Amino acid sequence: EVQVVESGGGLVQPGGSMRLSCAASGFSFKTYAMSWVRQAPGKGLEWVSGVSGSGGKRDYADSVKGRFTISRDNSKNTVYLQMDSLRAEDTAVYYCAKDTSYDCSDLDSWGQGTLVAVSS
Amino acid sequence: QVVLTQPPSASASLRASVKLTCSLSSGHSFYTIAWYQHQTEKGPRYLMRIDSDGSHTKGDGISDRFSGSSSGAERYLTISSLQSEDEGDYYCQTWGTGTQGILFGGGTKLTVL
Repeated sequence: EVQVVESGGGLVQPGGSMRLSCAASGFSFKTYAMSWVRQAPGKGLEWVSGVSGSGGKRDYADSVKGRFTISRDNSKNTVYLQMDSLRAEDTAVYYCAKDTSYDCSDLDSWGQGTLVAVSS
Repeated sequence: QVVLTQPPSASASLRASVKLTCSLSSGHSFYTIAWYQHQTEKGPRYLMRIDSDGSHTKGDGISDRFSGSSSGAERYLTISSLQSEDEGDYYCQTWGTGTQGILFGGGTKLTVL
């Protein structure tokens, strides 16, 4: 059974940093791209970042480019999202999702999400 | 740059059918899209992928009550025999050249009356 489980959320002050982790199991991890998607309170789904199966290709939404960094460790079946210079508008539930292919496309397995709250 | 447009809300009666629409912007009618269901306190659920020719591939365990189709720049998700547990938000999504990664539509909130 495919599983993705996020961790690392919580409360952080504006300008601070936080690292989210996503542990995956039940599939050949290095074969698939992985993405982070968020949902701010009262808003829709917003794709944040994605990384290819090898980790060699990384893409970011304009809203987080230069502040967030996605990475993966295929030996640990884990993908990370390093979030720096956090802003109030980054407050959201962050979901980790498995892609259906090696590069970013559609997302067929999702975690339950982890809440990130940016506030003083 | 591709844009996905969804009506913000839809409603239909219990045991009826509803057809949700996702519109691709001009010049992007050939894009493949995916549909997701998102309910409160849950992670989004992958429903299916729909190609420009209307062929669709469902996610694991998705009921036969969910089907997809396509017409020009429109992509549809039809839910038949509506049940109360079908209430939630439905998002379409696409990817590829012109999207800078992955793009979601604004979502449609479905109410089952």
